[in-house]
Amino acid sequence: EDQVTQSPEALRLQEGESSSLNCSYTVSGLRGLFWYRQDPGKGPEFLFTLYSAGEEKEKERLKATLTKKESFLHITAPKPEDSATYLCAVQAGTDSWGKFQFGAGTQVVVTP
Amino acid sequence: NAGVMQNPRHLVRRRGQEARLRCSPMKGHSHVYWYRQLPEEGLKFMVYLQKENIIDESGMPKERFSAEFPKEGPSILRIQQVVRGDSAAYFCASSPGAGNEQFFGPGTRLTVL
Repeated sequence: EDQVTQSPEALRLQEGESSSLNCSYTVSGLRGLFWYRQDPGKGPEFLFTLYSAGEEKEKERLKATLTKKESFLHITAPKPEDSATYLCAVQAGTDSWGKFQFGAGTQVVVTP
Repeated sequence: NAGVMQNPRHLVRRRGQEARLRCSPMKGHSHVYWYRQLPEEGLKFMVYLQKENIIDESGMPKERFSAEFPKEGPSILRIQQVVRGDSAAYFCASSPGAGNEQFFGPGTRLTVL
């Protein structure tokens, strides 16, 4: 059965303290892996798409990487405004092109 | 360039009533997706539609739930005879094509009394 697991469930960081979030997946034929951030009471905001192992994408303090079994979202020198829930989603080869399977998310809190 | 629009943002229904949730995709997007987010749970896929067609409804409950995306107008997610367990946030997303990243709306928060 396809699974997407995110860890840790919650992460509390001091401002400037870099860390990484993990998204591990077991799906048949990964088509794409997507990272989103979600603020309370809002819809997910798209961050990155990764398609193949070894691929990396970067935006401001965030960097996403992909291997054959997992993806990491690295947060470098975070600021309080990086506080959010970070979601990863996969698109599996056995599903329709429209179906994303989401992990439960990692809730990140960055304190000044 | 307006993003994905959903309305209403909040909807309160009594058990047994009908709920209609509307979604207008981003301009130029013809693919629409509906997801449900229960408290303390992740987003669960419900249905994928293109104009006038349902492509994948594998995540839709078999009864009481239906979705459409007509040639003109917004996509509609309809829940008949709502029950308390239907209380959740319902998100719509859109994309310009299949396999692209999906852009989400702000969600409709349904509360069933």
